[in-house]
Amino acid sequence: GESVGLHLPTLSVQEGDNSIINCAYSNSASDYFIWYKQESGKGPQFIIDIRSNMDKRQGQRVTVLLNKTVKHLSLQIAATQPGDSAVYFCAEILTGGGNKLTFGTGTQLKVEL
Amino acid sequence: GAVVSQHPSRVICKSGTSVKIECRSLDFQATTMFWYRQFPKQSLMLMATSNEGSKATYEQGVEKDKFLINHASLTLSTLTVTSAHPEDSSFYICSAMTGTGIAETQYFGPGTRLLVL
Repeated sequence: GESVGLHLPTLSVQEGDNSIINCAYSNSASDYFIWYKQESGKGPQFIIDIRSNMDKRQGQRVTVLLNKTVKHLSLQIAATQPGDSAVYFCAEILTGGGNKLTFGTGTQLKVEL
Repeated sequence: GAVVSQHPSRVICKSGTSVKIECRSLDFQATTMFWYRQFPKQSLMLMATSNEGSKATYEQGVEKDKFLINHASLTLSTLTVTSAHPEDSSFYICSAMTGTGIAETQYFGPGTRLLVL
């Protein structure tokens, strides 16, 4: 979905805790989803992806869950570290539609020491 | 991993002038490049899709005569903001995609911060 307004949702977690970042996507026909991390003043960095025929995928310290019924994605970060502080975006793609990414609103993750 | 660069990283210009931003894929050939704009505290919004050797495809609401895109080679795309105004101040980000067509191979540049006075 598109971002509106000037305030990013913020999630504050203690170092070492697990983080869960949520995202609602807009197009039920989207068949590919990606989570990106964006640090201040930098471009997005790929974290993990998932195809629509899956409901869970795990990476190093990260897990993505997909619930197509309610068009919801989540990103779980285990043992959150200060270096995880950034804005996290989900993005959806309808493959065959030119591979255009549609980004979600974004969530600011703040890791407190 | 694949590297995409942008130049300049930051530019300040006077209202009414034109600004060119370069996007380069450094170690791969990019058949498709995308240009995004990001305002503070907001998400990335796709402006246009650029294919090498052909005209760019612009998203709805993006003025093609104001945001000129050239993709003359497989490693370089340029975005020219013509007659820039303060409302064009934003963070412009490009991404480059290899020919496989798999979205995970879309690599992002570091962005260009444009400030129009």
